[in-house]
Amino acid sequence: GDSVTQMEGPVTLSEEAFLTINCTYTATGYPSLFWYVQYPGEGLQLLLKATKADDKGSNKGFEATYRKETTSFHLEKGSVQVSDSAVYFCALSDRQGGSEKLVFGKGTKLTVNP
Amino acid sequence: NAGVTQTPKFQVLKTGQSMTLQCAQDMNHEYMSWYRQDPGMGLRLIHYSVGAGITDQGEVPNGYNVSRSTTEDFPLRLLSAAPSQTSVYFCASSYGTANTEAFFGQGTRLTVV
Repeated sequence: GDSVTQMEGPVTLSEEAFLTINCTYTATGYPSLFWYVQYPGEGLQLLLKATKADDKGSNKGFEATYRKETTSFHLEKGSVQVSDSAVYFCALSDRQGGSEKLVFGKGTKLTVNP
Repeated sequence: NAGVTQTPKFQVLKTGQSMTLQCAQDMNHEYMSWYRQDPGMGLRLIHYSVGAGITDQGEVPNGYNVSRSTTEDFPLRLLSAAPSQTSVYFCASSYGTANTEAFFGQGTRLTVV
């Protein structure tokens, strides 16, 4: 079945450092890809998405490009802030047999120190 | 603008007790789902619904029941709580197509002792 693999955490960075969180996927169809973020004590919220190959999603300085050839959707940010400390989830959405499902990676906890 | 509302936020149960976790959304979304979040496991799908009267099992359905009598509500029932069901539970809703955003509630932290 469909699956998402993202880099193990936790990740600790200093403010203004460059961030990369790797994400690869396995899917039988043509999934849409997402990054969700979970701030402490809250539910998940959508950070960015891409719906087809070579699409780039971006939001709040974060970017990720849908790479079909490498089945990847790595999250990047050029200069992280303390407020970016959160857990980041890579996910895919695929329609199989008429039903829609989101499949999540295990999450990567990011801590940004001042 | 309430979005997805879950109640309660915290709950402690004794082994064998039953309870219902409530989830309501006011966005007229057809698709609703329940996940559990465990350390190192990410989010795992328990049950989902593509519309009123239609439900289906996810990855980890055992020990849980759902029903969808209205578009707005999607309660999750624990039939006989077990310590293995200690987790954080999230309800989500979306328009249900492959390209749309899922909106999550703030979660219910359940402890079974």
